[in-house]
Amino acid sequence: EDKVVQSPLSLVVHEGDTVTLNCSYEVTNFRSLLWYKQEKKAPTFLFMLTSSGIEKKSGRLSSILDKKELFSILNITATQTGDSAIYLCAVEVASSQGAQKLVFGQGTRLTINP
Amino acid sequence: NAGVMQNPRHLVRRRGQEARLRCSPMKGHSHVYWYRQLPEEGLKFMVYLQKENIIDESGMPKERFSAEFPKEGPSILRIQQVVRGDSAAYFCASSRGLLGNEQFFGPGTRLTVL
Repeated sequence: EDKVVQSPLSLVVHEGDTVTLNCSYEVTNFRSLLWYKQEKKAPTFLFMLTSSGIEKKSGRLSSILDKKELFSILNITATQTGDSAIYLCAVEVASSQGAQKLVFGQGTRLTINP
Repeated sequence: NAGVMQNPRHLVRRRGQEARLRCSPMKGHSHVYWYRQLPEEGLKFMVYLQKENIIDESGMPKERFSAEFPKEGPSILRIQQVVRGDSAAYFCASSRGLLGNEQFFGPGTRLTVL
């Protein structure tokens, strides 16, 4: 069974700190790995990673994928209270029907204290 | 460019009633996915549809649940004879398919079964 595991499940830090969120996976028919930020509503797309070792960066957020060790990390530097959210890691897999679907981890609940 | 739209945002039903959840994909997107998020759990894939076709319904319960994406109009997730365990947030996502696999999510419909 396809599995995505995130750690830690919960993290509380102070504003200005740097955080690293982890995502490991065990799936068949890997296609890509995606990170989303979920506040009170829709998960918001952050990154899509398909190749190992290539860092994707957007402002204070960055992410990298290791397809050999089957994990990804999401880094947030100089955290702000607005970064408080649940961060979801999802792996896109191709199903036997030829479709692509996302398998999600449990999420990491990040809280940034002022 | 409007994002993925879902309605209603909140739906309350009594046990045994029917729930209909609607999803309009982003403009230019022809692929629709439904996910369910139970309290304190990650998102779980339910079904993947293209116009007039169900591509993968491997995550859908065999009974009481059905989905469609007609040629005209929104995708509909239908739950017949709802039970308390159906209470969850139901998210719809859309993508361009082979032209771009990033899935963008709607705000979700929070279903409460009394």
